[in-house]
Amino acid sequence: AQRVTQPEKLLSVFKGAPVELKCNYSYSGSPELFWYVQYSRQRLQLLLRHISRESIKGFTADLNKGETSFHLKKPFAQEEDSAMYYCALRSGGSYIPTFGRGTSLIVHP
Amino acid sequence: DAGVTQSPTHLIKTRGQQVTLRCSPKSGHDTVSWYQQALGQGPQFIFQYYEEEERQRGNFPDRFSGHQFPNYSSELNVNALLLGDSALYLCASSLDRGRGSLGYTFGSGTRLTVV
Repeated sequence: AQRVTQPEKLLSVFKGAPVELKCNYSYSGSPELFWYVQYSRQRLQLLLRHISRESIKGFTADLNKGETSFHLKKPFAQEEDSAMYYCALRSGGSYIPTFGRGTSLIVHP
Repeated sequence: DAGVTQSPTHLIKTRGQQVTLRCSPKSGHDTVSWYQQALGQGPQFIFQYYEEEERQRGNFPDRFSGHQFPNYSSELNVNALLLGDSALYLCASSLDRGRGSLGYTFGSGTRLTVV
């Protein structure tokens, strides 16, 4: 079975500080990993995917198969980054993403 | 493009009643997936509809059923409502069962409260 763990329910930082949102997964095959974000009063939306190795809004995430992790990082947090962040895993067979419980990021001015 | 639209936005039902939630997918998408999101939790997969058939199902009882219409819109039905069914129900659309790498497009959800 595939599982996604986001160990922190809440992460609170000050503007300009580095941010790392943790995501660990369990899956025996080759997964696809995603980060979704939900800003206040907005719908859940895709932030980035590991296969594209992209940087969106200054965020990056690297898949570490040895540690089974896909942590989301940003060197300098901005107030507008405050949101709920969900890590999701999709296996090659089912195409159905499994979501973690989410981490609430609060960036203080 | 209005994206994924869900109706109603809020709903209050009594235990034992039945409810129907509706979803119109993003233009160009042919697959609809439904998720239940309880307070403080991530979205939990209920089922996915493609070509008017249920293609995959999560760990939800048969009280949860659905339908997809020829225009790709979808309904989620829940019978014999329990207090524990209170949650935000999210609809997500995708193309070709979500096989691509673009992920899902989510609606704003329907907030169901069972009293």
